[in-house]
Amino acid sequence: DVKVTQSSRYLVKRTGEKVFLECVQDMDHENMFWYRQDPGLGLRLIYFSYDVKMKEKGDIPEGYSVSREKKERFSLILESASTNQTSMYLCASSLWRGINYGYTFGSGTRLTVV
Amino acid sequence: GIQVEQSPPDLILQEGANSTLRCNFSDSVNNLQWFHQNPWGQLINLFYIPSGTKQNGRLSATTVATERYSLLYISSSQTTDSGVYFCAVERKGAQKLVFGQGTRLTINP
Repeated sequence: DVKVTQSSRYLVKRTGEKVFLECVQDMDHENMFWYRQDPGLGLRLIYFSYDVKMKEKGDIPEGYSVSREKKERFSLILESASTNQTSMYLCASSLWRGINYGYTFGSGTRLTVV
Repeated sequence: GIQVEQSPPDLILQEGANSTLRCNFSDSVNNLQWFHQNPWGQLINLFYIPSGTKQNGRLSATTVATERYSLLYISSSQTTDSGVYFCAVERKGAQKLVFGQGTRLTINP
């Protein structure tokens, strides 16, 4: 089974801190994604990546950046954390061979910014 | 962008009951998945079903791509089935998943 691992389950950070959320997948998937989930707003795509060193903005990229130096690792960076970035963050990966074979999600990181 | 609508938003049932969850989408898709989000936030993939019918134990799903809807059936519900069920689709030509708002299912003992 594909495994997508997020480094932290719960995280508390202070306003203005630089925050790194790490995601690693172990099945050589090309595509990786970061979503955030908020009550009443569902899951929204922040950034995604089709390949190493490639990144594309999703629907809500403001205040975030990403890094993908290795195929298996996709990092989400909050340059200067703010309280409105308190949320559940979910990482996913998928295999692309002309068609998509389905997405697998990590267990999520619940981030609180105080 | 593509719109995904799920119904009903909330469903409360007694243990042993059957349920049908619906997902309507507004454009042609090459990927449709059903997920169950457990109380700890983990999204569990139930079905990858861009078309056709699949079954896995008490769960089954049908997608009618030409009519742009999918149905998730849960039979003989158990309390562990409680949680939020999401439908998510990937529009043809795109490589990103768009989620519906989910159906919150509560199974009472």
